[in-house]
Amino acid sequence: RKEVEQDPGPFNVPEGATVAFNCTYSNSASQSFFWYRQDCRKEPKLLMSVYSSGNEDGRFTAQLNRASQYISLLIRDSKLSDSATYLCVVSTGTYKYIFGTGTRLKVLA
Amino acid sequence: EAQVTQNPRYLITVTGKKLTVTCSQNMNHEYMSWYRQDPGLGLRQIYYSMNVEVTDKGDVPEGYKVSRKEKRNFPLILESPSPNQTSLYFCASSNLLGTQYFGPGTRLTVL
Repeated sequence: RKEVEQDPGPFNVPEGATVAFNCTYSNSASQSFFWYRQDCRKEPKLLMSVYSSGNEDGRFTAQLNRASQYISLLIRDSKLSDSATYLCVVSTGTYKYIFGTGTRLKVLA
Repeated sequence: EAQVTQNPRYLITVTGKKLTVTCSQNMNHEYMSWYRQDPGLGLRQIYYSMNVEVTDKGDVPEGYKVSRKEKRNFPLILESPSPNQTSLYFCASSNLLGTQYFGPGTRLTVL
């Protein structure tokens, strides 16, 4: 079993739709969680950190479920510019970061 | 402008010819890391460094070396490159919150 698993997609959604991605992790000692965005083999960029209580940044909401060992990302009112690959990242706090393989999102006009 | 720079951006080389990919950050971050990204495998950590002269292996360190003589620089060295090291390489530095800032990537082809 992979340490961090994501559905590779692609998720094809119309503009304005709400879309959600999940990411499961296997190490219960994981402490830090992040969502990164990567455009077409460019460098990943931080979208948001994921906090235990859940957090929101504009149209983006991230949730952490420690009991079931998954994190989620919800995107509301999808824009064409949201088309990208979304990477889930998990760390045990020892500077070792495990990346998921990413979920591709295509927002269609 | 806060940034991580990598050089070269593209490199085609032959098996066995030693090469170095440089990485530099101007954010005074203590933590730096190297990753490789391959289709279907995602980003995998090669080496990381928690401070000057402190480095440790990531998940795929075989065939690579690193050094951290200065805080801002973290070069990746391939002493004897092989075709299975053909990949897209990213350097990253991190602040104390764990947010990583990535360089633009180096696309390496080993023939």
